[in-house]
Amino acid sequence: GAVVSQHPSWVICKSGTSVKIECRSLDFQATTMFWYRQFPKQSLMLMATSNEGSKATYEQGVEKDKFLINHASLTLSTLTVTSAHPEDSSFYICSAPRQGIANQPQHFGDGTRLSIL
Amino acid sequence: AQSVAQPEDQVNVAEGNPLTVKCTYSVSGNPYLFWYVQYPNRGLQFLLKYITGDNLVKGSYGFEAEFNKSQTSFHLKKPSALVSDSALYFCAVRDILFNNNNDMRFGAGTRLTVKP
Repeated sequence: GAVVSQHPSWVICKSGTSVKIECRSLDFQATTMFWYRQFPKQSLMLMATSNEGSKATYEQGVEKDKFLINHASLTLSTLTVTSAHPEDSSFYICSAPRQGIANQPQHFGDGTRLSIL
Repeated sequence: AQSVAQPEDQVNVAEGNPLTVKCTYSVSGNPYLFWYVQYPNRGLQFLLKYITGDNLVKGSYGFEAEFNKSQTSFHLKKPSALVSDSALYFCAVRDILFNNNNDMRFGAGTRLTVKP
């Protein structure tokens, strides 16, 4: 079964709305989680690294005021797309590694399809 | 720094034929290598990994991959393709020496289409 749960799976909303996406590790603690963005038929683009109890680390070119990340517990990270516009429409995916086990795969959520009208 | 290249955007094979999806990597130290598959509107599913040991690793759904250190490659293979194997495949690498928060780098992805 899934070990990382991502919610919601699909969001359609009006321009200017803020949208929150949740990523939960179900059977392990994740001090680190990753947020990716994927455009149609393209690879994953790492947006930021979410760190439990501290600020997220954003990749170059990603607006931290636009994409707010909160990692308030060892099993939950949230990504909030603030004042979303049509260009923010995309597929957002989170993942979590089992901490401290570098030879293990990351576990991915099922993604969130965000459509801004 | 670590990076991965998937030279083919698209691979087309007929059902029942063998398939190969190519991947080459670049790391400073020794690599951990992974293959993932993505179906439409879904996250990535883990297929297999190479950590150490035998160069030929076997994974889910009949897939296997061969680690070739001299060619820095980790090609994904399957002896007999199924239509249901049609999906997007990602190769990923993690450099043991630069294990920064356990993140990994992904290739651009290869779309595999298996025709009946």
